[in-house]
Amino acid sequence: NAGVTQTPKFQVLKTGQSMTLQCAQDMNHNSMYWYRQDPGMGLRLIYYSASEGTTDKGEVPNGYNVSRLNKREFSLRLESAAPSQTSVYFCASSEEVTGNEQFFGPGTRLTVL
Amino acid sequence: QKEVEQNSGPLSVPEGAIASLNCTYSDRGSQSFFWYRQYSGKSPELIMSIYSNGDKEDGRFTAQLNKASQYVSLLIRDSQPSDSATYLCAVNKGYSTLTFGKGTMLLVSP
Repeated sequence: NAGVTQTPKFQVLKTGQSMTLQCAQDMNHNSMYWYRQDPGMGLRLIYYSASEGTTDKGEVPNGYNVSRLNKREFSLRLESAAPSQTSVYFCASSEEVTGNEQFFGPGTRLTVL
Repeated sequence: QKEVEQNSGPLSVPEGAIASLNCTYSDRGSQSFFWYRQYSGKSPELIMSIYSNGDKEDGRFTAQLNKASQYVSLLIRDSQPSDSATYLCAVNKGYSTLTFGKGTMLLVSP
């Protein structure tokens, strides 16, 4: 089992460009999450999907959109990238939202120039 | 008041010593508690979960939970240089997502 996979590993964008970060899990988990991690800020939740067909905003959703494509896949889209979105992005999954351990993907390091 | 607080460190311990990492949380109704280890440039890795008061041991790791005092701690016995990492505390209440602390950096010197 690969666990949680993310693509790409690294990306450089120019301000205003768009891109989609891909995430997939093979653990048959219901819930999936997108976080960003910045120095001194810790992990901050962008969006999550409690189950297939549902998505909800987290702490820092502005500038992002998500799609729960199916049970396995959860994508994060930046429609018009800004330098403030330079960060490391992690996808995670868990069996359910409530009280369950989350497992993280390897991350995407994004730089917006 | 921050929801989950950790001392940012670094916490420096010599090899073979016990490292004690602490975390306090503000929501008294919190029910699930997790410790993650994150090496520099890597993703968080779950090392312990604890749900009830008391101690939970797994190898060299012991998680301690005291709901009355609203703190959870992680003890690492016989610390090794390979334990050098940032340790994240995460807390969950009811039907809500995890709230992470900002982490404590641990440095274990040979």
